[in-house]
Amino acid sequence: AQSVTQLDSQVPVFEEAPVELRCNYSSSVSVYLFWYVQYPNQGLQLLLKYLSGSTLVKSINGFEAEFNKSQTSFHLRKPSVHISDTAEYFCAVRGGGTALIFGKGTTLSVSS
Amino acid sequence: ETGVTQSPTHLIKTRGQQVTLRCSSQSGHNTVSWYQQALGQGPQFIFQYYREEENGRGNFPPRFSGLQFPNYSSELNVNALELDDSALYLCASSGQGSSVASTDTQYFGPGTRLTVL
Repeated sequence: AQSVTQLDSQVPVFEEAPVELRCNYSSSVSVYLFWYVQYPNQGLQLLLKYLSGSTLVKSINGFEAEFNKSQTSFHLRKPSVHISDTAEYFCAVRGGGTALIFGKGTTLSVSS
Repeated sequence: ETGVTQSPTHLIKTRGQQVTLRCSSQSGHNTVSWYQQALGQGPQFIFQYYREEENGRGNFPPRFSGLQFPNYSSELNVNALELDDSALYLCASSGQGSSVASTDTQYFGPGTRLTVL
């Protein structure tokens, strides 16, 4: 069975500051890892994913995440955040099964 | 390309009633997964349908059931509603191949907000 732990429930930052949202997972099989973002009153949007290959994956809006197998982590980073990045961020893992297993989410609040 | 759509957007029911939620998958996708997201929590997997057959189920009781139609749209039915069923119900579509792959990315709809009074 897989599980996901998002280590911070809320992360407040100022605009243009760097941010890291932490995600650890546990699994007895090889996994695929995802970050989704959820804006208020909306569904989930895929931000980025790791399936294989390069352990550093990037999104089109400046986020990146690095798969670290030894530390079972998939932390999300952005060097400079914008007000529009304010949202709920979910880390998810998928092993050999059909389901995505989600963490409880991290609320990123960006203020000016 | 049409994304995943869900209807209705909001729904209010009373305890003991039955509800049907609907999902249209993204064009070309043959797999639909349903998730329940309680307030302040991450989504939890209910079940998945692939080519009209259930292809996996999470830890939800039998009163949660589903269907997938030949056009790959799907329904989630919940019988004997309980207060704890109040949540955002998310549908995700994926897959274009001849089998379900773990690498398939799931694309989510906007969800249906169900309130049980």
